[in-house]
Amino acid sequence: DTGVSQDPRHKITKRGQNVTFRCDPISEHNRLYWYRQTLGQGPEFLTYFQNEAQLEKSRLLSDRFSAERPKGSFSTLEIQRTEQGDSAMYLCASSLAVGQGPGYTFGSGTRLTVV
Amino acid sequence: KNEVEQSPQNLTAQEGEFITINCSYSVGISALHWLQQHPGGGIVSLFMLSSGKKKHGRLIATINIQEKHSSLHITASHPRDSAVYICAVWGGSQGNLIFGKGTKLSVKP
Repeated sequence: DTGVSQDPRHKITKRGQNVTFRCDPISEHNRLYWYRQTLGQGPEFLTYFQNEAQLEKSRLLSDRFSAERPKGSFSTLEIQRTEQGDSAMYLCASSLAVGQGPGYTFGSGTRLTVV
Repeated sequence: KNEVEQSPQNLTAQEGEFITINCSYSVGISALHWLQQHPGGGIVSLFMLSSGKKKHGRLIATINIQEKHSSLHITASHPRDSAVYICAVWGGSQGNLIFGKGTKLSVKP
């Protein structure tokens, strides 16, 4: 297992376009998290899944954002009608469920630039 | 006020100096993480601790649950230690981490 993989590493898009990011977690981890990090700030929670169920969504996740984890393995985060304020690093992390060890493993992130 | 506060925000040190980064939090936690983030964005977990002290190489992390405070120490700092160090807390019953804003460390040769 090579850890948490995110694709693409960088994405430049024009305002108004839709973008989709992918995260492949560590295979035995049943929890998957998405965070957003803007320049000079710590990451902020967006949403998380336990297996295929989306258990929690932050108020940061507007209706332009949608996340899926259809088979409980990889996840996608889609942003529709991108805005310049969406420019950020989108980080994915995975872990075992609560009670099985809270250790987190992070991906390298997808840096989105909306022009 | 943020739930997780780090100090200092920026830190410049000379190679070989002993470095301390502090983290205070206001929520009940089950565990606290110290993370390292290099330019380019990838985050590496350095420590996860819920009590006492942990050591790995030149890095030492301590936590005082009663005072809701943790420190990360780097002994004999080196330019390759230059990175952003982030404190994050995990509440246990919730899934996500709550992050501090990070401390940007620059170690000069």
